[in-house]
Amino acid sequence: ETGVTQTPRHLVMGMTNKKSLKCEQHLGHNAMYWYKQSAKKPLELMFVYSLEERVENNSVPSRFSPECPNSSHLFLHLHTLQPEDSALYLCASSPMGGGGEQYFGPGTRLTVT
Amino acid sequence: QKEVEQDPGPLSVPEGAIVSLNCTYSNSAFQYFMWYRQYSRKGPELLMYTYSSGNKEDGRFTAQVDKSSKYISLFIRDSQPSDSATYLCAMIGTSGSRLTFGEGTQLTVNP
Repeated sequence: ETGVTQTPRHLVMGMTNKKSLKCEQHLGHNAMYWYKQSAKKPLELMFVYSLEERVENNSVPSRFSPECPNSSHLFLHLHTLQPEDSALYLCASSPMGGGGEQYFGPGTRLTVT
Repeated sequence: QKEVEQDPGPLSVPEGAIVSLNCTYSNSAFQYFMWYRQYSRKGPELLMYTYSSGNKEDGRFTAQVDKSSKYISLFIRDSQPSDSATYLCAMIGTSGSRLTFGEGTQLTVNP
């Protein structure tokens, strides 16, 4: 595998379910990000991890819970989501100090029913 | 007011046309400017990365930054159907790691 991978690619879940999104980067980067992409809206930064430490939480509801066990892996744990949370969730990574040079995964298309 | 304004399009041009994509911004702290390209069902990929005012050329692509006007542009020469994608402008200040994106412009190049 190369670059940034994300699983699953598609996810349908009910509002009472618990699921997790997984991201893995094979680039040796030290920073990882979660973004939400909705139609007709700019990419919204959700969380930033630098050297496995969360450095930014962009006022994201607690029903989204990130986890970064090491510099190569990032998870987004989901529980009791709302239909408006349906979106494309993108993971990205960047080298330390290279915040603008981000490498994105293909995303997980999430539908909340 | 949005920090970054980008016309969402859609923009449709014939093959071979010159395409001009633009963004304006309000935050004078932005120092680094990027263009990302996103194909359908894919994540964004970095296309161009520029610092401060001026032009940067890479093949058929030219990125232009005018900090005095808070205006950036991406020009695509001899556009190809394979250029059909959504183009996202993005910018960042010198401190922190938070990229601010535009809404994206959907471009279709017709053969």
